[in-house]
Amino acid sequence: ILNVEQSPQSLHVQEGDSTNFTCSFPSSNFYALHWYRWETAKSPEALFVMTLNGDEKKKGRISATLNTKEGYSYLYIKGSQPEDSATYLCAQRDQTGANNLFFGTGTRLTVIP
Amino acid sequence: DTGVSQDPRHKITKRGQNVTFRCDPISEHNRLYWYRQTLGQGPEFLTYFQNEAQLEKSRLLSDRFSAERPKGSFSTLEIQRTEQGDSAMYLCASSLQGAGEQFFGPGTRLTVL
Repeated sequence: ILNVEQSPQSLHVQEGDSTNFTCSFPSSNFYALHWYRWETAKSPEALFVMTLNGDEKKKGRISATLNTKEGYSYLYIKGSQPEDSATYLCAQRDQTGANNLFFGTGTRLTVIP
Repeated sequence: DTGVSQDPRHKITKRGQNVTFRCDPISEHNRLYWYRQTLGQGPEFLTYFQNEAQLEKSRLLSDRFSAERPKGSFSTLEIQRTEQGDSAMYLCASSLQGAGEQFFGPGTRLTVL
C-alpha cells in the first residue's frame, strides 16, 4: 500500500486567482504519478502522468511539477475560472503487476465568480 | 466508443439485498480495474482483470463481493447481502497493458439503507 497525501483538503479562490495544491508520496520505488480532475457527476479526467524527477507538464492554464527524490508534486492553476471547480486527485502508480493506483483524498477546489 | 461507461449511475437498496453493477471499458483496452471511494477518502483499489482473468484482489474485497469479466469485454461487480458500510462510489477504469494511463467511468453510487 502506498500512502499518498494531498493538501489542502479544500480550497476556495476568487475567479482570476492563481492557486496550487500539494501531493506527497513515498519516494522509494517510485514508478509514476497521476493527476486527475473530477467534476461532480462526471468521470475523473486524466490531467497528467509524470514519471521523471524534475518533470514539468502543462495543459492550458494547469501545470504540474514532480520531485521524486523528496516525494512531492505540485499542481498549479493560473487565473482560476469557475469551470475549474472540481476535486483534484493525485495517485501513485504501483510498479508491481497490477499497476493499480493509490489515491490521495483529493483537494476540492471551488472558484467563486 | 467514447469512453468507459457504468450502469446504473445510482443504486439505492435495502440492507441484505444483492446488487450488481456493470462496466463497459474502452473497447481495445485489455485491463479493467474496480475501485471504491467512501466518504472523505480517495478511490481504493478493489480488483483488476487482464482480459477475462482476474489477476489481483484487494483485501477490501470481502467474500460478499464477486467480479467477473466473462469475455474480456464488459465486467460486472456483484455485492451479496449488502451492508450499510458498502455505501460508496464504485468506479471502473480501463487501460492498455503497459501504457499505464487509466481511463475512468462516471461511477455507480450505491446507497444501502
